[in-house]
Amino acid sequence: DAGVIQSPRHEVTEMGQEVTLRCKPISGHNSLFWYRQTMMRGLELLIYFNNNVPIDDSGMPEDRFSAKMPNASFSTLKIQPSEPRDSAVYFCASLRYRGGYTFGSGTRLTVV
Amino acid sequence: GQQVMQIPQYQHVQEGEDFTTYCNSSTTLSNIQWYKQRPGGHPVFLIQLVKSGEVKKQKRLTFQFGEAKKNSSLHITATQTTDVGTYFCAGTTQGGSEKLVFGKGTKLTVNP
Repeated sequence: DAGVIQSPRHEVTEMGQEVTLRCKPISGHNSLFWYRQTMMRGLELLIYFNNNVPIDDSGMPEDRFSAKMPNASFSTLKIQPSEPRDSAVYFCASLRYRGGYTFGSGTRLTVV
Repeated sequence: GQQVMQIPQYQHVQEGEDFTTYCNSSTTLSNIQWYKQRPGGHPVFLIQLVKSGEVKKQKRLTFQFGEAKKNSSLHITATQTTDVGTYFCAGTTQGGSEKLVFGKGTKLTVNP
């Protein structure tokens, strides 16, 4: 079991550029979550999917953010255009029915 | 919306001292989970509590869920340097949602 795999681990981009973060959940897990972590706001849920269907996207900060899950083994979080205030660590987590989430190692995004 | 408060925000202890972090929710919870995040790492699931008044132990760690299912605590006996990290509580509201709302965490440092 390779766990939840996120890429890239680090991303530095210029303001205005498009950023795409990727996540491969654990095989057999039917729920996937995207969180953002900052010192000021802690861990914030952005969006979650159940069986590849978006269930709750109320945490997505703006229309600049979008997320997709085209199949059970892949999800993306896209920011277009990126802004310096988007700088944070973005975590993907997956879950099989009930119980604890398994988090990926995260993507540290820096927008300059 | 649902809020989960955690105190203290920081705790510094000498190795061998005990440590406790407290978690309070503005709403009744379906369950509460605890996670540990090491510096530079990702949150790692520790335990889930479901029943009112439940107490669970993992070696030196004791977890409690309040009778009203609105508060919880984590107690570490005789801290070790390996206990360093940030401890988060996270809860789901009643109604079957898988959406976890995280507290802001308690950062524990242990002086050897």
